[in-house]
Amino acid sequence: GESVGLHLPTLSVQEGDNSIINCAYSNSASDYFIWYKQESGKGPQFIIDIRSNMDKRQGQRVTVLLNKTVKHLSLQIAATQPGDSAVYFCAETGSGSARQLTFGSGTQLTVLP
Amino acid sequence: DTAVSQTPKYLVTQMGNDKSIKCEQNLGHDTMYWYKQDSKKFLKIMFSYNNKELIINETVPNRFSPKSPDKAHLNLHINSLELGDSAVYFCASSQPGGHEKLFFGSGTQLSVL
Repeated sequence: GESVGLHLPTLSVQEGDNSIINCAYSNSASDYFIWYKQESGKGPQFIIDIRSNMDKRQGQRVTVLLNKTVKHLSLQIAATQPGDSAVYFCAETGSGSARQLTFGSGTQLTVLP
Repeated sequence: DTAVSQTPKYLVTQMGNDKSIKCEQNLGHDTMYWYKQDSKKFLKIMFSYNNKELIINETVPNRFSPKSPDKAHLNLHINSLELGDSAVYFCASSQPGGHEKLFFGSGTQLSVL
């Protein structure tokens, strides 16, 4: 089956800087994408989503960008805070009837003081 | 008032034993899932139930048997536990009509000795 991958397994940023987490997906038929945040000892938590008819969506301090031409997804976190330290997953929903989520391998974001 | 709750949080057991993990959601969702997260944080779907009916059953050994007594509960029973079953197991649910935005429980860390 097709899979979702990430460019970098780890990312360290200074507190207050902006963070960019990248994700490459391979299923060109996917039409819905989600970013999840998983803190240590907890389950993944929804951050933001985007449908394939959009190329940008903004939330509170987070922005997701979708480039369907190169099948690339990114999560931007503005003014990164210590509480943002976590593993971030991108996930895609294929176009089949079950529309199950396929998760990428995750990026560990560490915010440095 | 936890939305998706699963018990136990930690489960340590010997090879060959049988164990169960329970999950309950109070979100009114129709669809519930079990995911397995390995030591590299990779999340993979195991099962999906919609309104007590099995709709997704990925390639999982038949030692794993999900049971859904009602649409708010999805339990996972594992027979003859093996070392390779050690992982974190997450229960999740999603809104009616969509298999997309998942709400996860906090996970059950299973250690098979």
